[in-house]
Amino acid sequence: LAKTTQPISMDSYEGQEVNITCSHNNIATNDYITWYQQFPSQGPRFIIQGYKTKVTNEVASLFIPADRKSSTLSLPRVSLSDTAVYYCLVGGPNTGGFKTIFGAGTRLFVKA
Amino acid sequence: NAGVTQTPKFQVLKTGQSMTLQCAQDMNHNSMYWYRQDPGMGLRLIYYSASEGTTDKGEVPNGYNVSRLNKREFSLRLESAAPSQTSVYFCASSEVVGGRVKNLFFGSGTQLSVL
Repeated sequence: LAKTTQPISMDSYEGQEVNITCSHNNIATNDYITWYQQFPSQGPRFIIQGYKTKVTNEVASLFIPADRKSSTLSLPRVSLSDTAVYYCLVGGPNTGGFKTIFGAGTRLFVKA
Repeated sequence: NAGVTQTPKFQVLKTGQSMTLQCAQDMNHNSMYWYRQDPGMGLRLIYYSASEGTTDKGEVPNGYNVSRLNKREFSLRLESAAPSQTSVYFCASSEVVGGRVKNLFFGSGTQLSVL
């Protein structure tokens, strides 16, 4: 399983764009990158998943460079309600498959 | 849609007691998971079930047993509870595409305290 490294915490202000980077130097060829969001007292919620280049949905974008050794979750114009813990996961059918492991995550605190 | 339903939501046990946490999903997912989350920490995988009839150990399986009762239900049993098992327990299920876990859907959690 690819080990991931994320910043422990980040601060931002309402209306700003927030970029959270995750390092995964030993990502395998068939691995995907997935991000989850967790609010206090709730289970994590899926945000986005990607394999290469750029993926965008209604809440976030995921940027993956060509070497795939890192990825960046981009949250446009954050609000107070985006204060949460964000987890980066890396895995695929040939590297642990279903053994979906969460790291410590990044605590994002959005201030008014 | 109910999604992933866990019961109970709260439980207090005495050391040495046993209990079973129940989990059911109505999304027709093949794979199901049990995680624990200690205060201020990330989630740790206890056991998972890739498909009905199979179960495998995760990161922290000691002290737990699981049963994949059918496609919908995946239970977690503590045979002899210890204070170190005080935690929030989350059940999850996922769709799997080509051996890839597409995304995890989580239940609302069970807050377990072992005295």
